[in-house]
Amino acid sequence: DAMVIQNPRYQVTQFGKPVTLSCSQTLNHNVMYWYQQKSSQAPKLLFHYYDKDFNNEADTPDNFQSRRPNTSFCFLDIRSPGLGDAAMYLCATSRALEGIIRGYTFGSGTRLTVV
Amino acid sequence: AQSVTQPDIHITVSEGASLELRCNYSYGATPYLFWYVQSPGQGLQLLLKYFSGDTLVQGIKGFEAEFKRSQSSFNLRKPSVHWSDAAEYFCAVGASNDYKLSFGAGTTVTVRA
Repeated sequence: DAMVIQNPRYQVTQFGKPVTLSCSQTLNHNVMYWYQQKSSQAPKLLFHYYDKDFNNEADTPDNFQSRRPNTSFCFLDIRSPGLGDAAMYLCATSRALEGIIRGYTFGSGTRLTVV
Repeated sequence: AQSVTQPDIHITVSEGASLELRCNYSYGATPYLFWYVQSPGQGLQLLLKYFSGDTLVQGIKGFEAEFKRSQSSFNLRKPSVHWSDAAEYFCAVGASNDYKLSFGAGTTVTVRA
């Protein structure tokens, strides 16, 4: 089945140690999104790629970066994780404007713990 | 910019009882509206969506939602809840000139036996 896969499901990292979360998709969608979701809060969009074009949200900290080497993969890099970065990180995809009609497809998320 | 408000943080309902979750949106034109469900430790799954046509939309798992333009609302309903409906529910809104969705803060549903 076509889907969005996030690895790992659970990630524990040390304070200040760089960490990378990965997302892959078999849907051939051209837009990939990264959301941060803290407990009992709405998912917050960090950034997205529209094809190869990177679009950062204005309030996303510089500590968060992303890479998209090809259509299928997208990575979230946290350069120096702080305790406040502990959250669920959700990857989603859509086919550009179709996403507004069809909705996004989400992965199962990566739960990040910072110790 | 569009925005979403979910007034209820937490709702507890008995199994077999009806459920209604409220969602109010803010957007100048006709919005694109969605309800997603998130089970513990999982990603978000699309329940249903509205972008035009019949204002009462049917979704998966027996859910339905009604778009009311006059009230800027898109409330989610289920006639009889099952214990497996215990989850967090998010309303989301999109704009016709953008492809990004804005999510509400979510409503947690607890189902008691």
